[in-house]
Amino acid sequence: EVQLVESGGGLVQPGGSLRLSCAASGFTFNDFWMNWVRQAPGRGLEWVANINQDGSESYYVDSVKGRFTISRDNSKNSVSLQMNSLRVEDTAVYYCVRHIDHWGQGTRVTVSS
Amino acid sequence: IVMTQTPLSLSVTAGQPASMSCKSSQSLLHNSGKTAWLLQKPGQPPQLLIYEISNRFSGVPERFSGSGSGTNFTLQISRVEAADVGVYYCMQHIEFPTLGQGTNLEIK
Repeated sequence: EVQLVESGGGLVQPGGSLRLSCAASGFTFNDFWMNWVRQAPGRGLEWVANINQDGSESYYVDSVKGRFTISRDNSKNSVSLQMNSLRVEDTAVYYCVRHIDHWGQGTRVTVSS
Repeated sequence: IVMTQTPLSLSVTAGQPASMSCKSSQSLLHNSGKTAWLLQKPGQPPQLLIYEISNRFSGVPERFSGSGSGTNFTLQISRVEAADVGVYYCMQHIEFPTLGQGTNLEIK
């Protein structure tokens, strides 16, 4: 069974940093692109970042370029999202997603003073 | 690529059909139909319903069907059930993925 378990969310002040992690199991991790998708309160879904199977390619939505970094450790079956210079508008539930087909339960990030 | 969904809200009597549309800002014709439909039920993460325009994901009931080509895509539910309530999103992933605004389905 595919499982994706996010961690690392919490409350942070504007300008602060947070690192989200996703532990994957139940599939061959290095066969798949991995993604982070977020959902602001009461809003729709926004694809934030993705990374290819060996970590050599990564892409970002314009609003987080230069502030967020996605990475993966295939030896540990994990993918991370380092979020720096956080803004109030980054407040959201962040989902770890395998390709497009399996989603974690999400971790909540709140950016507020 | 901008994905535009219509309608934004849909109210359907249980047992009746439902249909919702998604239009992409550029043609997705020549890229193996990398469009999909997701359903987010209340209080849950999204789940994949349809991939590559018309393929039902594992475990998705046959009452769900997807169709379309080029820039226009449709999700149909043959007979709506209470369990189908939620927000439906279309998405494309031929480039960096983008999603529509969502269609909120409720039961009358």
